Amino acid sequence: AQSVTQLDSQVPVFEEAPVELRCNYSSSVSVYLFWYVQYPNQGLQLLLKYLSGSTLVKGINGFEAEFNKSQTSFHLRKPSVHISDTAEYFCAVSDSGSTLGRLYFGRGTQLTVWP
Amino acid sequence: NAGVTQTPKFRVLKTGQSMTLLCAQDMNHEYMYWYRQDPGMGLRLIHYSVGEGTTAKGEVPDGYNVSRLKKQNFLLGLESAAPSQTSVYFCASIRVNTGELFFGEGSRLTVL
Repeated sequence: AQSVTQLDSQVPVFEEAPVELRCNYSSSVSVYLFWYVQYPNQGLQLLLKYLSGSTLVKGINGFEAEFNKSQTSFHLRKPSVHISDTAEYFCAVSDSGSTLGRLYFGRGTQLTVWP
Repeated sequence: NAGVTQTPKFRVLKTGQSMTLLCAQDMNHEYMYWYRQDPGMGLRLIHYSVGEGTTAKGEVPDGYNVSRLKKQNFLLGLESAAPSQTSVYFCASIRVNTGELFFGEGSRLTVL
């Protein structure tokens, strides 16, 4: 089974500042990688995903992430955050050989953007 | 397009009571999942189904049962609720060609 570590449980930043949310996973076997965002009292929605190809992945709302196989990392970045980005962000990993959709989630990072 | 719909959205139970959470999806997805979300724990897979009439255990299946009698519905049952089952439950289905999970809005269950 995969283990997913989100290194920061809380990240406070000011509006228009850059942000990086860190994610590391345990296994170096072939993986699929995802970032999901959860707004208060809502379900999770997909922010971006890496299945194969370019290691730099662009998602919705100006977010991007870079897959680093040697460091088993998939960090999420945004160059300039908005107050509306305040939410909880989850990194998730799936082994490419396991049951489709069987994701292992990190514990989440609460991003709070201050004016 | 409703996507994934969960009912009920809120429920309070007493220890030992039973209940069923219903998940319905209108996207014709084969695979469906039940997760629970607890503070500081992320999401953990309870049970999943790869098609009508099939179910399988996830990471934390104890105390739960599931059924997938119709392709569009996935039911999660608690036969004898315990306080440890107080959680927010999320149902999801997957678009196979993109690997994207679609989540319902969650069902918040409190067991007293």
